[in-house]
Amino acid sequence: EVQLLESGGGLVQPGGSLRLSCGASGFTFSHYAMSWVRQTAGKGLEWVSSISGSGGSPTYADSVKGRFTISRDNSNNTLHLQMSSLTADDTAVYYCAKDASEYGGYYLDYWGQGTPVTVS
Amino acid sequence: NFMLTQPHSVSESPGKTVTISCTRSSGPIANNYVQWYQQRPGSPPTPLIYEDKYRPAGVPDRFSGSIDRSSNSASLTISGLKTEDEADYYCQSYADSDNPFVFGSGTKVTVL
Repeated sequence: EVQLLESGGGLVQPGGSLRLSCGASGFTFSHYAMSWVRQTAGKGLEWVSSISGSGGSPTYADSVKGRFTISRDNSNNTLHLQMSSLTADDTAVYYCAKDASEYGGYYLDYWGQGTPVTVS
Repeated sequence: NFMLTQPHSVSESPGKTVTISCTRSSGPIANNYVQWYQQRPGSPPTPLIYEDKYRPAGVPDRFSGSIDRSSNSASLTISGLKTEDEADYYCQSYADSDNPFVFGSGTKVTVL
């Protein structure tokens, strides 16, 4: 059974930093691209960042480019999102999601439960 | 980049059929596959349809997807509505390598 478990969310002051992690199990982690998607309270879904199965080709939404860094540790089946220069607009629930392909941009077939980030 | 526009909400009675549209603002809808996700309250999204019309394993055949080139839109149809179908539904498509996931604005389905 595929499982994705996010951690690291919490309350942070504007301008601060936070590192989110996502532990994965139930599939060969290095064979699939991974993404972070966020959702503000009562609002829709916003793609944040993706990374290929090998860890190459990270991509970012314009809204977080230059402030967020996605990375993965295939030896420990873990995905990370380092967030810095946080603003109130970054307040959201952050979901870790598995792509159905190795290179990404296909569809997100499994999602974690999400971790809330509040910038205040 | 394009936008995907969905109706804000739809409602229908149990047992009936509801169709949710997802209109692409620019570029042909057929250029890139459309996916659909269901999000029940308090839960993460789960995939319902991929590649315009295919259902992942375990998704009931009450859910179906299609695209309409003439209206440049995709549609999700839910037949035999059940109260458990009350949820938010999002369409999603691929834009380019720098913006791989474009999500629709979301539609809230209420089963009266």
